[in-house]
Amino acid sequence: KQEVTQIPAALSVPEGENLVLNCSFTDSAIYNLQWFRQDPGKGLTSLLLIQSSQREQTSGRLNASLDKSSGRSTLYIAASQPGDSATYLCAAEGANNLFFGTGTRLTVIP
Amino acid sequence: GAVVSQHPSRVICKSGTSVKIECRSLDFQATTMFWYRQFPKQSLMLMATSNEGSKATYEQGVEKDKFLINHASLTLSTLTVTSAHPEDSSFYICSASGTSGRALPYEQYFGPGTRLTVT
Repeated sequence: KQEVTQIPAALSVPEGENLVLNCSFTDSAIYNLQWFRQDPGKGLTSLLLIQSSQREQTSGRLNASLDKSSGRSTLYIAASQPGDSATYLCAAEGANNLFFGTGTRLTVIP
Repeated sequence: GAVVSQHPSRVICKSGTSVKIECRSLDFQATTMFWYRQFPKQSLMLMATSNEGSKATYEQGVEKDKFLINHASLTLSTLTVTSAHPEDSSFYICSASGTSGRALPYEQYFGPGTRLTVT
């Protein structure tokens, strides 16, 4: 069964810093890798989707990479802002399910 | 961790019929439940948020009369796809959050999903 792990579980950075969130998965047979943002009490907001044939995707200050062979994905956030504070989840889509990571709780300090 | 179940895991129905999907929190009281859907090669997208005992709040572009959500108890929410059409074929996932039992505050616990195919 696919296992998705995110490291670190929590991260605090000063405003303006660039940061990297990590996601690892055990089964490389995935269709895609997705990154989400979760605010307290709210539903997930989709950030980026990387198809299995792609290496990276970019949206604004966000860049996500995918290395299927090593079972890793990273989410790079440039010039972090206090509004970026949230929990970030990655999810790997397999044949019949979507496997979620444990999340990284990010705090950006003004 | 806390567990959420969904039933059925797969369903095939004919166009024009209605389909009900159940989402249950097994070891905690789910004060909030979320319904998502994922079309092929697209990201998972939030459809609606429901709080127990209240009407669901739907995301823009999601028809509330077509996707009926009932969250009548703290352990069960249902999504009914009414008059389903082939374009409703998708992967539907629920998640739940609560503060009792095995649930941590503000964490979302995801069901295994339901794959709906409308022929």
